[in-house]
Amino acid sequence: KAGVTQTPRYLIKTRGQQVTLSCSPISGHRSVSWYQQTPGQGLQFLFEYFSETQRNKGNFPGRFSGRQFSNSRSEMNVSTLELGDSALYLCASSLNRDEQYFGPGTRLTVT
Amino acid sequence: ILNVEQSPQSLHVQEGDSTNFTCSFPSSNFYALHWYRWETAKSPEALFVMTLNGDEKKKGRISATLNTKEGYSYLYIKGSQPEDSATYLCAFASYNTDKLIFGTGTRLQVFP
Repeated sequence: KAGVTQTPRYLIKTRGQQVTLSCSPISGHRSVSWYQQTPGQGLQFLFEYFSETQRNKGNFPGRFSGRQFSNSRSEMNVSTLELGDSALYLCASSLNRDEQYFGPGTRLTVT
Repeated sequence: ILNVEQSPQSLHVQEGDSTNFTCSFPSSNFYALHWYRWETAKSPEALFVMTLNGDEKKKGRISATLNTKEGYSYLYIKGSQPEDSATYLCAFASYNTDKLIFGTGTRLQVFP
C-alpha cells in the first residue's frame, strides 16, 4: 500500500506570495490532517478534513485554508505569506480517529 | 486550553542503557493517547495508540504505560541502541474534539 505523499517537498517563496501544498492520503483513508512544525515548537494542528468537509480547525489565521477533494486528496493554501510561515508542513491520513500516517512533509521557506 | 507536556526535552544515553520519558495530558474527557517516533529526515511513525486506563503496550524493546486518571503515560526503551535515536512525540485526543494535541517531544540520542 502506498504511503502518504506530499508535494512539493521543498518550496521557497517571498513575503506576500501565496502557496498551495498538496497531500495524497493512503488509499481508503478519508481523514486528512495538516500540521505545522517550527523550530522549538511541537506539531501545531492546522485543520482536519473528512469526506470533503473541514471537521476541525486549529488556532491559525484565516490566511491558512484547505480543502479536500472527492478522492480524499487535500490541499492547503497559505495566502500573503509572512516570514513566520517558514516551517515544515506535515499532512497525515487516518481511518477516523485511529493512528495517523504521516507524509514526508513540505519544507516551506519564506524570504 | 489543552496542554500536553513531555519531559525531558532531550536525553543522551549510552548504548545498552534503558531509558524512559513522560507525557502529561489533561485527565478529563480522555479518548486516546498516541506515541510517535520521528527520526531525522523521515516522517513521524506511530508506535502506540492507547485508550484504556492501565493499558500497557509493547513493541520489541519499546513499551508504554497509561494512567488516564492522573493524566500521564510513560514510554520505556530497554537496552537503547543507536537506531533508537529520534524524537518521541506523544499526542492526546479528547472526546470534545477530533484533533490530536501534540507535545513538543523528547529528543533521544543514543551513543555507541
